[in-house]
Amino acid sequence: AQSVTQLGSHVSVSEGALVLLRCNYSSSVPPYLFWYVQYPNQGLQLLLKYTTGATLVKGINGFEAEFKKSETSFHLTKPSAHMSDAAEYFCAVSSGGGADGLTFGKGTHLIIQP
Amino acid sequence: DVKVTQSSRYLVKRTGEKVFLECVQDMDHENMFWYRQDPGLGLRLIYFSYDVKMKEKGDIPEGYSVSREKKERFSLILESASTNQTSMYLCASSLKGSKLFFGSGTQLSVL
Repeated sequence: AQSVTQLGSHVSVSEGALVLLRCNYSSSVPPYLFWYVQYPNQGLQLLLKYTTGATLVKGINGFEAEFKKSETSFHLTKPSAHMSDAAEYFCAVSSGGGADGLTFGKGTHLIIQP
Repeated sequence: DVKVTQSSRYLVKRTGEKVFLECVQDMDHENMFWYRQDPGLGLRLIYFSYDVKMKEKGDIPEGYSVSREKKERFSLILESASTNQTSMYLCASSLKGSKLFFGSGTQLSVL
């Protein structure tokens, strides 16, 4: 069985500040980890994913995440927040690269203060 | 670009009605998925399919069924809609071992 915990249902940062969205997972096998973003009234878009290899993964729109096996974490960061980053962010885990469906966290709503 | 199309953006149905939610993808993906999204609960997997006529239960299959007669189309069926099935329904597809592509969602209200 696998699960995902996202700490904080809402995170508020000032424009230009560091964005940090936390994600911890549990998985009985080496995980595949994903971050998705959902803008208002839209479907989900993949930001980045970790499968194997380099533990620091770079995604679109300046986001990156680091896989830390010892901490079972996959936190999402961006050095400088932009107003357009306001959205819902979902962390997800899969044991099969997507073939068996992803298990999602409950989501974190990112609010950007001007 | 991969396109995952859900037939309706908004749908309003009455309790007890049979409801069909349709999803079509245009990239010959083997895998297709139905999720429901509720505030504070994130996305939960209802059913998925990895081939035509194949289906697997996800985490919350109760009250739902699915049909996949053609590779490009994956239908979610609510046999007798209930108010607790009011939700946003998201369809997704993928190649085996690859990322999911999501549709824009269907907001279903059951009155």
